[in-house]
Amino acid sequence: AQSVTQPDIHITVSEGASLELRCNYSYGATPYLFWYVQSPGQGLQLLLKYFSGDTLVQGIKGFEAEFKRSQSSFNLRKPSVHWSDAAEYFCAVGARSGGSNYKLTFGKGTLLTVNP
Amino acid sequence: DVKVTQSSRYLVKRTGEKVFLECVQDMDHENMFWYRQDPGLGLRLIYFSYDVKMKEKGDIPEGYSVSREKKERFSLILESASTNQTSMYLCASSLQASRYFGPGTRLTVT
Repeated sequence: AQSVTQPDIHITVSEGASLELRCNYSYGATPYLFWYVQSPGQGLQLLLKYFSGDTLVQGIKGFEAEFKRSQSSFNLRKPSVHWSDAAEYFCAVGARSGGSNYKLTFGKGTLLTVNP
Repeated sequence: DVKVTQSSRYLVKRTGEKVFLECVQDMDHENMFWYRQDPGLGLRLIYFSYDVKMKEKGDIPEGYSVSREKKERFSLILESASTNQTSMYLCASSLQASRYFGPGTRLTVT
Protein backbone atom coordinates (compact mmCIF):
# COMPACT_ATOMS: atom_id res chain seq x y z
CA ALA A 1 0.00 0.00 0.00
CA GLN A 2 1.21 3.49 -0.76
CA SER A 3 1.62 6.28 1.78
CA VAL A 4 2.57 9.94 1.82
CA THR A 5 4.25 12.02 4.50
CA GLN A 6 4.36 15.79 4.58
CA PRO A 7 6.73 16.45 7.50
CA ASP A 8 5.85 20.12 7.94
CA ILE A 9 2.37 20.89 9.26
CA HIS A 10 2.82 24.68 9.07
CA ILE A 11 5.41 26.85 7.32
CA THR A 12 5.75 30.64 7.45
CA VAL A 13 7.74 32.57 4.85
CA SER A 14 8.11 36.22 3.94
CA GLU A 15 6.74 37.52 0.67
CA GLY A 16 9.46 37.32 -1.97
CA ALA A 17 11.34 34.53 -0.23
CA SER A 18 11.86 31.11 -1.78
CA LEU A 19 9.75 28.16 -0.75
CA GLU A 20 10.23 24.42 -0.53
CA LEU A 21 7.50 22.09 0.75
CA ARG A 22 8.57 18.55 1.50
CA CYS A 23 6.83 15.36 0.46
CA ASN A 24 8.00 11.79 0.98
CA TYR A 25 6.17 8.79 -0.35
CA SER A 26 6.26 5.05 0.04
CA TYR A 27 5.39 2.87 -2.94
CA GLY A 28 7.02 -0.18 -4.47
CA ALA A 29 6.91 0.82 -8.13
CA THR A 30 7.16 4.11 -10.00
CA PRO A 31 4.41 6.26 -8.55
CA TYR A 32 2.19 8.92 -10.01
CA LEU A 33 2.81 12.06 -7.93
CA PHE A 34 0.74 15.18 -7.49
CA TRP A 35 0.67 18.50 -5.68
CA TYR A 36 -2.64 20.21 -4.96
CA VAL A 37 -3.38 23.59 -3.39
CA GLN A 38 -6.45 24.50 -1.34
CA SER A 39 -7.37 28.10 -0.56
CA PRO A 40 -9.57 28.66 2.51
CA GLY A 41 -13.09 27.35 2.00
CA GLN A 42 -12.31 26.05 -1.47
CA GLY A 43 -11.75 22.72 -3.16
CA LEU A 44 -8.36 21.36 -4.19
CA GLN A 45 -6.71 22.64 -7.35
CA LEU A 46 -4.13 20.57 -9.23
CA LEU A 47 -0.77 22.39 -9.29
CA LEU A 48 1.34 19.80 -11.10
CA LYS A 49 1.83 16.10 -11.62
CA TYR A 50 4.57 13.60 -12.42
CA PHE A 51 3.89 10.41 -14.32
CA SER A 52 7.18 9.69 -16.07
CA GLY A 53 10.01 11.33 -17.99
CA ASP A 54 11.74 14.52 -16.90
CA THR A 55 12.00 14.47 -13.12
CA LEU A 56 11.63 18.27 -12.86
CA VAL A 57 8.01 19.17 -13.42
CA GLN A 58 6.63 22.64 -14.04
CA GLY A 59 3.18 23.57 -12.83
CA ILE A 60 0.79 26.47 -12.64
CA LYS A 61 1.33 29.68 -10.61
CA GLY A 62 5.13 29.41 -10.99
CA PHE A 63 5.52 26.20 -8.97
CA GLU A 64 7.81 23.30 -9.80
CA ALA A 65 8.55 19.95 -8.20
CA GLU A 66 11.37 17.45 -8.51
CA PHE A 67 10.98 13.69 -8.31
CA LYS A 68 13.95 12.04 -6.59
CA ARG A 69 13.57 8.28 -6.66
CA SER A 70 16.60 7.66 -4.43
CA GLN A 71 15.08 9.81 -1.70
CA SER A 72 11.43 8.85 -2.34
CA SER A 73 10.68 12.54 -2.44
CA PHE A 74 8.65 14.96 -4.53
CA ASN A 75 9.31 18.40 -3.07
CA LEU A 76 7.46 21.49 -4.25
CA ARG A 77 9.38 24.71 -4.86
CA LYS A 78 8.77 28.31 -5.82
CA PRO A 79 11.58 30.86 -6.18
CA SER A 80 9.61 33.88 -4.94
CA VAL A 81 6.44 33.56 -2.91
CA HIS A 82 3.49 35.95 -3.31
CA TRP A 83 0.94 36.75 -0.61
CA SER A 84 -1.71 35.00 -2.72
CA ASP A 85 0.19 31.71 -2.32
CA ALA A 86 -0.99 31.45 1.31
CA ALA A 87 -3.02 28.22 1.35
CA GLU A 88 -2.81 24.57 2.29
CA TYR A 89 -0.76 22.29 0.05
CA PHE A 90 -1.34 18.58 -0.38
CA CYS A 91 0.97 16.00 -1.87
CA ALA A 92 -0.57 12.81 -3.25
CA VAL A 93 0.70 9.51 -4.59
CA GLY A 94 -1.29 7.43 -7.06
CA ALA A 95 -1.12 3.85 -8.22
CA ARG A 96 -3.11 1.94 -10.78
CA SER A 97 -5.70 -0.22 -9.05
CA GLY A 98 -7.17 -1.98 -12.08
CA GLY A 99 -8.44 -1.01 -15.51
CA SER A 100 -8.52 2.76 -15.75
CA ASN A 101 -8.80 3.17 -11.99
CA TYR A 102 -6.13 4.77 -9.86
CA LYS A 103 -6.00 4.91 -6.08
CA LEU A 104 -4.75 8.24 -4.73
CA THR A 105 -3.41 8.64 -1.22
CA PHE A 106 -3.11 12.20 0.10
CA GLY A 107 -0.75 13.62 2.66
CA LYS A 108 -2.21 15.52 5.60
CA GLY A 109 -1.19 18.86 4.14
CA THR A 110 1.18 21.75 4.85
CA LEU A 111 -0.33 25.11 5.73
CA LEU A 112 1.62 28.00 4.22
CA THR A 113 1.48 31.45 5.81
CA VAL A 114 3.03 34.38 3.92
CA ASN A 115 4.16 37.41 5.89
CA PRO A 116 4.19 40.82 4.16
CA ASP B 1 -11.11 23.55 -18.12
CA VAL B 2 -12.69 20.81 -16.08
CA LYS B 3 -15.63 22.03 -14.07
CA VAL B 4 -16.96 20.15 -11.07
CA THR B 5 -19.86 21.76 -9.26
CA GLN B 6 -21.49 20.88 -5.96
CA SER B 7 -25.07 21.77 -5.16
CA SER B 8 -24.42 23.62 -1.91
CA ARG B 9 -21.45 25.42 -0.38
CA TYR B 10 -22.89 25.37 3.13
CA LEU B 11 -25.55 23.12 4.61
CA VAL B 12 -27.00 22.81 8.12
CA LYS B 13 -29.07 19.73 8.94
CA ARG B 14 -30.52 18.17 12.05
CA THR B 15 -29.56 14.80 13.49
CA GLY B 16 -31.56 12.01 11.88
CA GLU B 17 -32.35 13.89 8.66
CA LYS B 18 -31.66 12.33 5.27
CA VAL B 19 -29.14 14.50 3.43
CA PHE B 20 -28.36 14.61 -0.29
CA LEU B 21 -25.16 16.13 -1.65
CA GLU B 22 -25.08 16.53 -5.40
CA CYS B 23 -22.06 16.74 -7.69
CA VAL B 24 -21.94 17.40 -11.43
CA GLN B 25 -18.96 17.32 -13.80
CA ASP B 26 -18.90 18.56 -17.36
CA MET B 27 -15.90 16.71 -18.80
CA ASP B 28 -17.40 13.29 -19.54
CA HIS B 29 -15.11 11.66 -16.96
CA GLU B 30 -15.94 8.08 -16.13
CA ASN B 31 -14.65 8.12 -12.57
CA MET B 32 -16.15 10.20 -9.77
CA PHE B 33 -15.36 10.33 -6.06
CA TRP B 34 -16.63 11.58 -2.72
CA TYR B 35 -14.17 12.54 0.03
CA ARG B 36 -14.55 14.06 3.41
CA GLN B 37 -11.93 16.38 4.84
CA ASP B 38 -11.36 16.89 8.55
CA PRO B 39 -8.61 18.82 10.36
CA GLY B 40 -5.69 16.56 11.19
CA LEU B 41 -7.14 13.63 9.23
CA GLY B 42 -6.67 14.92 5.69
CA LEU B 43 -8.83 13.62 2.85
CA ARG B 44 -10.56 10.30 3.26
CA LEU B 45 -12.33 8.49 0.45
CA ILE B 46 -15.97 7.63 1.13
CA TYR B 47 -17.15 6.11 -2.16
CA PHE B 48 -16.23 6.20 -5.81
CA SER B 49 -17.87 5.25 -9.08
CA TYR B 50 -16.19 4.19 -12.30
CA ASP B 51 -19.32 4.00 -14.43
CA VAL B 52 -23.03 4.75 -14.38
CA LYS B 53 -24.81 2.66 -11.75
CA MET B 54 -21.47 1.30 -10.52
CA LYS B 55 -20.05 2.13 -7.10
CA GLU B 56 -17.23 1.00 -4.88
CA LYS B 57 -16.65 1.57 -1.18
CA GLY B 58 -13.76 3.72 -0.18
CA ASP B 59 -12.02 3.83 3.16
CA ILE B 60 -14.93 5.16 5.28
CA PRO B 61 -18.28 4.20 3.68
CA GLU B 62 -20.21 3.59 6.92
CA GLY B 63 -23.23 5.85 7.27
CA TYR B 64 -23.15 6.87 3.59
CA SER B 65 -24.53 5.67 0.30
CA VAL B 66 -24.17 6.97 -3.26
CA SER B 67 -26.11 7.09 -6.49
CA ARG B 68 -24.92 7.49 -10.06
CA GLU B 69 -27.80 7.41 -12.52
CA LYS B 70 -26.11 9.62 -15.13
CA LYS B 71 -22.47 9.85 -16.09
CA GLU B 72 -22.13 13.50 -15.14
CA ARG B 73 -23.85 13.29 -11.76
CA PHE B 74 -22.76 11.57 -8.53
CA SER B 75 -24.78 11.94 -5.35
CA LEU B 76 -23.76 11.28 -1.76
CA ILE B 77 -26.52 10.34 0.65
CA LEU B 78 -26.42 10.44 4.41
CA GLU B 79 -29.28 8.12 5.36
CA SER B 80 -29.61 9.46 8.91
CA ALA B 81 -27.27 12.35 9.60
CA SER B 82 -25.27 12.31 12.81
CA THR B 83 -23.12 14.96 14.45
CA ASN B 84 -19.93 13.04 13.64
CA GLN B 85 -20.71 13.58 9.97
CA THR B 86 -20.14 17.30 10.35
CA SER B 87 -17.34 17.87 7.85
CA MET B 88 -16.22 19.33 4.55
CA TYR B 89 -17.32 17.10 1.66
CA LEU B 90 -15.39 17.21 -1.59
CA CYS B 91 -16.48 15.70 -4.88
CA ALA B 92 -13.98 14.93 -7.63
CA SER B 93 -13.89 13.47 -11.10
CA SER B 94 -10.85 12.01 -12.77
CA LEU B 95 -9.12 11.63 -16.06
CA GLN B 96 -6.73 8.73 -15.57
CA ALA B 97 -4.98 9.42 -12.27
CA SER B 98 -5.57 13.18 -12.01
CA ARG B 99 -8.42 14.21 -9.73
CA TYR B 100 -10.38 17.43 -10.36
CA PHE B 101 -12.23 18.73 -7.34
CA GLY B 102 -15.38 20.73 -6.78
CA PRO B 103 -15.50 23.67 -4.34
CA GLY B 104 -16.73 21.54 -1.44
CA THR B 105 -19.81 21.48 0.77
CA ARG B 106 -19.38 22.33 4.42
CA LEU B 107 -22.03 20.29 6.23
CA THR B 108 -22.97 20.95 9.83
CA VAL B 109 -25.21 18.45 11.63
CA THR B 110 -26.77 19.77 14.83
